[in-house]
Amino acid sequence: EAQVTQNPRYLITVTGKKLTVTCSQNMNHEYMSWYRQDPGLGLRQIYYSMNVEVTDKGDVPEGYKVSRKEKRNFPLILESPSPNQTSLYFCASSLSIDQGRYGYTFGSGTRLTVV
Amino acid sequence: SQQGEEDPQALSIQEGENATMNCSYKTSINNLQWYRQNSGRGLVHLILIRSNEREKHSGRLRVTLDTSKKSSSLLITASRAADTASYFCATDLYNQGGKLIFGQGTELSVKP
Repeated sequence: EAQVTQNPRYLITVTGKKLTVTCSQNMNHEYMSWYRQDPGLGLRQIYYSMNVEVTDKGDVPEGYKVSRKEKRNFPLILESPSPNQTSLYFCASSLSIDQGRYGYTFGSGTRLTVV
Repeated sequence: SQQGEEDPQALSIQEGENATMNCSYKTSINNLQWYRQNSGRGLVHLILIRSNEREKHSGRLRVTLDTSKKSSSLLITASRAADTASYFCATDLYNQGGKLIFGQGTELSVKP
């Protein structure tokens, strides 16, 4: 089944403890992106990647890192999580951004709580 | 204000009625997309309309795009209780590397 898989689904952690949220897609998509969703603020893009080894900042990149060493994986790294990073996180992928023809496929989300 | 703004914020209708949601945006776009989200879950892509298209259909969904007014509408015909969800428009900005900007969403409730 074509899908974007995020892990974990739920995570409670403490301030300052490094964590990684994994994202993997099995559709050979070139484009991958991370969003966070917060009440009243909607979905905001954190980082995106147009292809392997090509990543760039979105609207709210502070406090996050990403890497794209393989086409299928796009992990989100929080080196030193803080309570303001408590949010619902989504990974999404798209076949390509060529002329904007394709929609995104979203993962099921990771609900992160930082205490 | 946001690139994508949706109206209304919430809509409550009876099963069988039509639901119309509107989206306005500010800058040039490659395309506009509509997504659906069930509470706390991932977004599901519904339909994409390109900037040179004016209307598109998919099943019970009808999307229109008016680039002169920078607005779009999503019509769900003959609604069902299972259509209850939040609906988001997302604009794929011209020359922005595929970045999608999401609106705040319309919360649709369809009562049986």
